[in-house]
Amino acid sequence: QSVLTQPPSASGTPGQRVTISCSGSSSNIGSNSIKWYQHLPGTAPKLLIYSNNERPSGVPDRFSGSKSGTSASLAISGLQSEDEADYYCEAWDDSLNGSVFGPGTKVTVL
Amino acid sequence: QLQLQESGSGLVKPSQTLSLTCTVSGGSISNGGFSWSWIRQPPGKGLEWIGFIYQSGVTYYSPSLTSRVNISLDRSKNQLSLKLNSVTAADTAIYYCARVNLGKGRALDIWGQGTMVTVSS
Repeated sequence: QSVLTQPPSASGTPGQRVTISCSGSSSNIGSNSIKWYQHLPGTAPKLLIYSNNERPSGVPDRFSGSKSGTSASLAISGLQSEDEADYYCEAWDDSLNGSVFGPGTKVTVL
Repeated sequence: QLQLQESGSGLVKPSQTLSLTCTVSGGSISNGGFSWSWIRQPPGKGLEWIGFIYQSGVTYYSPSLTSRVNISLDRSKNQLSLKLNSVTAADTAIYYCARVNLGKGRALDIWGQGTMVTVSS
């Protein structure tokens, strides 16, 4: 069982906004930055967000991240069919002295 | 452009040692702004962080694996390696290597394509 909690699934129609939550504790999200990754099965995971809300070059601005206290969220606006994938949050955990991933959220474009 | 490629034995017998190599091309593994990490994904499950190594050689491992895992750098070959001993079926997974960008909050910003390892007799 992961120390980070994510909903197992989320969905939306093309053009809609979808939000994915990631809940943790004071030892991980509460005191360290959050990262978000997109993963299509059979491919390499892709970094979407780092330092809570920063986008690497090449990541569309449709993807945005935020953090408040011990929770974080990833928003996908203007949902597109190519956004159908698994999304994972990740943070360093001071108690474990290691990094942890959330269980992942599968996003479906209806 | 930096690329990572995992390689190693795809089939390992229970109780034996899993050995994987990640070859870095298009850049140096010794670049001080980066560390290196291993992550895995068991079939039908999510991503699991295994550990990472700083340029100094200092390593951090998942508490659930720390007694069985070793990550090291071979600068002469520009390679990262993973050794996991006493494997069981629970270690069957796709194994990924990734670059840790220290300037981006230790984000895993470049990943290999992954290599499937099956533990079976």
